[in-house]
Amino acid sequence: KAGVTQTPRYLIKTRGQQVTLSCSPISGHRSVSWYQQTPGQGLQFLFEYFSETQRNKGNFPGRFSGRQFSNSRSEMNVSTLELGDSALYLCASTQEYGADTQYFGPGTRLTVL
Amino acid sequence: QKEVEQNSGPLSVPEGAIASLNCTYSDRGSQSFFWYRQYSGKSPELIMFIYSNGDKEDGRFTAQLNKASQYVSLLIRDSQPSDSATYLCAGKDDKIIFGKGTRLHILP
Repeated sequence: KAGVTQTPRYLIKTRGQQVTLSCSPISGHRSVSWYQQTPGQGLQFLFEYFSETQRNKGNFPGRFSGRQFSNSRSEMNVSTLELGDSALYLCASTQEYGADTQYFGPGTRLTVL
Repeated sequence: QKEVEQNSGPLSVPEGAIASLNCTYSDRGSQSFFWYRQYSGKSPELIMFIYSNGDKEDGRFTAQLNKASQYVSLLIRDSQPSDSATYLCAGKDDKIIFGKGTRLHILP
């Protein structure tokens, strides 16, 4: 079974731009969570989607948003990029909402210049 | 502010010895606790989770939970060089909160 895939793997943007990241969960997994990982703040929860609905949200500004499609694939969007948004963005999937065994994708490395 | 605290390390342990990783958490509402391993340049992978006070063993790994002390630990027996990685502790109530990780270095 294929693992969680994320595209693109690397991205360079400039301040003020917006970016969209994509995540395809493991086949049969219906819940997708997004995380931001930085050296200073560590791994931080952004949001979780299940059945095309955001079920949970971390403490990030409204510039960070996401959505989930009927095939469970998910996208996250960051608008008006700031230098501090440079990070590794990880997506993880679980079979069901709230399940504890989550599998992480390889991540998207975003650099904001 | 809900927090999970870990010593950043590095923790150096000789090969074959027991590595002990510790974590404290502030949210008494946390119900489940997790240990993830993250190799440099890779994404985290789940080692094990624990819900109940006491020990939970899986192969060379033992997780220990003490809810009264708000303390979680991970023991790695017979440490191998391949165990060298950053270990992330996490607690979950409605949301999962990760510690910043402990770097473990197994000395051959």
